[in-house]
Amino acid sequence: SQQGEEDPQALSIQEGENATMNCSYKTSINNLQWYRQNSGRGLVHLILIRSNEREKHSGRLRVTLDTSKKSSSLLITASRAADTASYFCATDGYNTDKLIFGTGTRLQVFP
Amino acid sequence: DAMVIQNPRYQVTQFGKPVTLSCSQTLNHNVMYWYQQKSSQAPKLLFHYYDKDFNNEADTPDNFQSRRPNTSFCFLDIRSPGLGDAAMYLCATSVLQGAFTPNYGYTFGSGTRLTVV
Repeated sequence: SQQGEEDPQALSIQEGENATMNCSYKTSINNLQWYRQNSGRGLVHLILIRSNEREKHSGRLRVTLDTSKKSSSLLITASRAADTASYFCATDGYNTDKLIFGTGTRLQVFP
Repeated sequence: DAMVIQNPRYQVTQFGKPVTLSCSQTLNHNVMYWYQQKSSQAPKLLFHYYDKDFNNEADTPDNFQSRRPNTSFCFLDIRSPGLGDAAMYLCATSVLQGAFTPNYGYTFGSGTRLTVV
């Protein structure tokens, strides 16, 4: 299985602080994606980074990818209480048309 | 707005009673997926359709089946729900061209939470 492992499993921070979540995966990928899930809701796509990219930004989000280490990180800067959610990385392998999710990080941002 | 819609949001079914969950999309995406997500776990892919081609995951129980009558609709049928099938069921879509994997993220519906009593 190329399921990703994420750490930490849970993260609690104060508003204004930065939150960093890490993801490791097992096999070669075509791209890696990050999703957010509010409690009891569907997943929302945040950002996609291709295997030939090393860093990508979107608003307060910064994603890095190190294919040699088979790892990625998601940084949320200046966090807000509304960022409280679970965050999942997901990978798709070469010549596949399916996305496999990691175990997720539960982020709690206290006002 | 173009979107993925799952109905119902909450479904209660009796142990052993067949149940069908539905998903529709207005995105005209050619791939549709069904994921099962149990509490505090990662979404687990059950199967997906690439156009009309059905792709079942090796570890998806035979109890789970799917139908895609047209591009817009996809159904998840659970023939004999057990207590262990209680979960959130997520439908997602993506667009693929040929053999290439997506350049865009998947679009998910809000999910159907299934309770088995």
